[in-house]
Amino acid sequence: QKEVEQDPGPLSVPEGAIVSLNCTYSNSAFQYFMWYRQYSRKGPELLMYTYSSGNKEDGRFTAQVDKSSKYISLFIRDSQPSDSATYLCATSAGANSKLTFGKGITLSVRP
Amino acid sequence: GAGVSQSPRYKVAKRGQDVALRCDPISGHVSLFWYQQALGQGPEFLTYFQNEAQLDKSGLPSDRFFAERPEGSVSTLKIQRTQQEDSAVYLCASSLWYLAESTDTQYFGPGTRLTVL
Repeated sequence: QKEVEQDPGPLSVPEGAIVSLNCTYSNSAFQYFMWYRQYSRKGPELLMYTYSSGNKEDGRFTAQVDKSSKYISLFIRDSQPSDSATYLCATSAGANSKLTFGKGITLSVRP
Repeated sequence: GAGVSQSPRYKVAKRGQDVALRCDPISGHVSLFWYQQALGQGPEFLTYFQNEAQLDKSGLPSDRFFAERPEGSVSTLKIQRTQQEDSAVYLCASSLWYLAESTDTQYFGPGTRLTVL
């Protein structure tokens, strides 16, 4: 079993939909939680960063971490075609530690 | 400013050949990470440098993989006697490295896509 499991895809939604992306993790040492977005043929880029449990909002994006259930979520409101990409959850045990990624889910937002 | 750059962007090698992949991190970034991303998978950690010191190489899959960062800036990942299972995208990431418990974002390069025939 991988340390970080991510809901399988792909996922296709109409423009304007609310998107929910989820991951679970098994290692209690993980303290830092991230969501990366990766466009085709590009490197991952950081979308959201959360330390420990809680919510974080940035524009149309909300990240949630529940350490008691080891559950990580990303919500995208009013989804746009430009949001079409692969979304990767990632965790680490320290602020400058290696990242452990989920498998990624490919999202397609239909105009 | 300039981001993380990697070269070559694409590399095709015959099985058994040696390859060298280069990473130019963001200027001034202390930490440098290498990851391997297989098709349809998330990146997996290979090795980590803090300046020129290789502090963690636990993710290197075999002794055919070797990484260096001799002057604490540019890094090279070398794969000897390439095998078909080495085919993947190799990603480099750098971060500034803060001592405080705050975000220390890893910035990724575009990757080198290695295909071993």
